[in-house]
Amino acid sequence: QVQLQESGPGLVKPSETLSLTCTVSGYSISSGYYWGWIRQPPGKGLEWIGSIYHSGSTYYNPSLKSRVTISVDTSKNQFSLKVTSVTAADTAVYYCARSTIRYFDPFDYWGQGTLVTVSS
Amino acid sequence: QSALTQPASVSGSPGQSITISCTGTSSDVGNYNYVSWYQQHPGKAPKLMIYDVSNRPSGVSNRFSGSKSGNTASLTISGLQAEDEADYYCSSYTITSTPYVFGTGTKVTVL
Repeated sequence: QVQLQESGPGLVKPSETLSLTCTVSGYSISSGYYWGWIRQPPGKGLEWIGSIYHSGSTYYNPSLKSRVTISVDTSKNQFSLKVTSVTAADTAVYYCARSTIRYFDPFDYWGQGTLVTVSS
Repeated sequence: QSALTQPASVSGSPGQSITISCTGTSSDVGNYNYVSWYQQHPGKAPKLMIYDVSNRPSGVSNRFSGSKSGNTASLTISGLQAEDEADYYCSSYTITSTPYVFGTGTKVTVL
């Protein structure tokens, strides 16, 4: 069974960098597929942040592209998210998830989500 | 890229059928059969219910079905049950600069 688990600080100060890691079990990232990050501000809808292929190819939401970096570490079976220069608008539950053979494929496995609050 | 448009809320009684709409444009829903639907219970991660307009992943109840007409996709829940009370989001591939867009979300209430 594929499982994903997000980890990282729950509180980040404004203007600093948000960093999260997603650890995958039950499936080897190096075997293929796309891996993505999605966020959900409290009480609001879902927003796709970006996705990465096991080889490192990335696709980003243009509205966040200038501040976002997604990377993969196949040796640890993890992929990561960095968002720079955060503001209160970046406060959200952040989910990592797996899509399949196309970068725009739906997400079939999700992590439980982690709440990141941006506040001084 | 704007979010796909969904009704804010839909309700029904147990046993009834309800339909949730998801309206996009010719840049997404209208010209691509890559519409998905997710169910999200409070405090939980979304769960994939439908992909590629009308396909159900293994393990999803056949009470959930998807369809599309023009720029609007639909999710129908038949034989409504209390456990179906949740938020539902559609999503679609889009030819615009953002390849993946979600809908605004619909809260389903079982009366």
